[in-house]
Order: sequence, then C-alpha cells, then structure tokens
Amino acid sequence: EVQLVESGGGLVQPGGSLRLSCTGSGFTFSYYEMNWVRQAPGKGLEWVSFISSRSVAIYYADSVKGRFTISRDNAQNSLYLQLNSLTPEDTAVYYCARKSQARSYYYMDVWGKGTTVTVSS
Amino acid sequence: DIQMTQSPSSLSASVGDRVAITCRASQNITNYLNWYQQKPGKAPKLIVYAASTLQSGVPSRFSGSGSGTDFTLTISSLQPEDFATYFCQQSHSIRITFGPGTKLDVK
Repeated sequence: EVQLVESGGGLVQPGGSLRLSCTGSGFTFSYYEMNWVRQAPGKGLEWVSFISSRSVAIYYADSVKGRFTISRDNAQNSLYLQLNSLTPEDTAVYYCARKSQARSYYYMDVWGKGTTVTVSS
Repeated sequence: DIQMTQSPSSLSASVGDRVAITCRASQNITNYLNWYQQKPGKAPKLIVYAASTLQSGVPSRFSGSGSGTDFTLTISSLQPEDFATYFCQQSHSIRITFGPGTKLDVK
C-alpha cells in the first residue's frame, strides 16, 4: 500500500522548535518530489515547502522562509521539516504530500494523515 | 504568487442535485489546475488534475472543466459521501497555491 506517515508534532512554546518527519512506503520514495502543506484550525490549505527528488531544488512560502528547513533522506525514505522560531500562527496540521506527474501536469496524489503542531504558552 | 479564489464559499444541496463550484486564478494558468476533496479530520484527496482529468478511482459523476483563469468542478448527481470541502490548487508555479475552499453541506 502506498502511504505517507507523519510524526513529530506536539505542543511547543512560542520561539521553540520542532522537527517533523514523514516516512513513505509502497513506492520508490527517491523518485518523487515532495511538499509540506499545512492547515490551521478551521482554515484552508497553505503550501509550506517543496523539495526535489535529490534535494537540488528547495522552495519555501514567504511565511516560513528563514525559519523552516526542509530536507530528505532517500536511503531512509524520509522527509523532514525543521520548524524554528515558532509563533502561534504556525499552529496547524502539517501534511506531507507526494508530487506526481502525468504528461506535463503536476499534482499531489498521496497525502499523509497529518501531524498537529500547537504553538502556545 | 498566483492567487486563487473560489465561489461559492459554501453551498447547501440535496442528494441527487447537480452542483458546480468555480475557481478563478489571478493570472493565466492554462490548465494547471487540480481539485481536492477534504472531509473533516481527514487529509485532502485528489479528485481532478490538469483541470479535467479524473484521478483514478474517482466516480464519473465528478467532472472538471475550464482553462486560462476560470475553472469549474461539477458533481452531476450528489451522493451522501460527496458532502465535504473542495479546494482548487494551481500547479502552474512551483510555489503552489490553493483556493480558500467551498464547503458543500446537506440542505
């Protein structure tokens, strides 16, 4: 079964740090580019970060640039997101999602169940 | 960044109804447009990609159309399991953006 499983969420104080992990199985993880997407309580979906299959290309949303770091370890079939300098506005469910391609079109066809990050004192 | 808008923000309908949700991009994205369905407490699920291509396993009552800046997701005959929130997403830019969502609930 193709799946992604996130972990590492929790309650953290403002200014704190957290490292999220996402492990893929049932597919060749190293072939795929990956995204992190978050969803604040009761809100819509917000793209956070992208990493190419070999980590050559990395992009961040302006809202997290300079505070979050995306990385991956293909040998471990794992994707990571290091969250630093957290603020209450970072409170959200964080999803990892696989980016797939058909012809020249890109979409996220496999999503994890998400891990919850709560930033509060 | 490319801005995405959706209308309506919420929609009440009954089983068997035909419903349409629209999505507009702030610039021409040709047909780099995807639709996702999300149910409470669950991850989003891909419904349509490339504006009109149905993802494998998605019922044929779903259809997508449009190109350029204006897109539509249509459900031809609502089923109980279709009540959910629907998001559009542009993949024209690597910095992807989502629409704010349309919540479809039971009338």
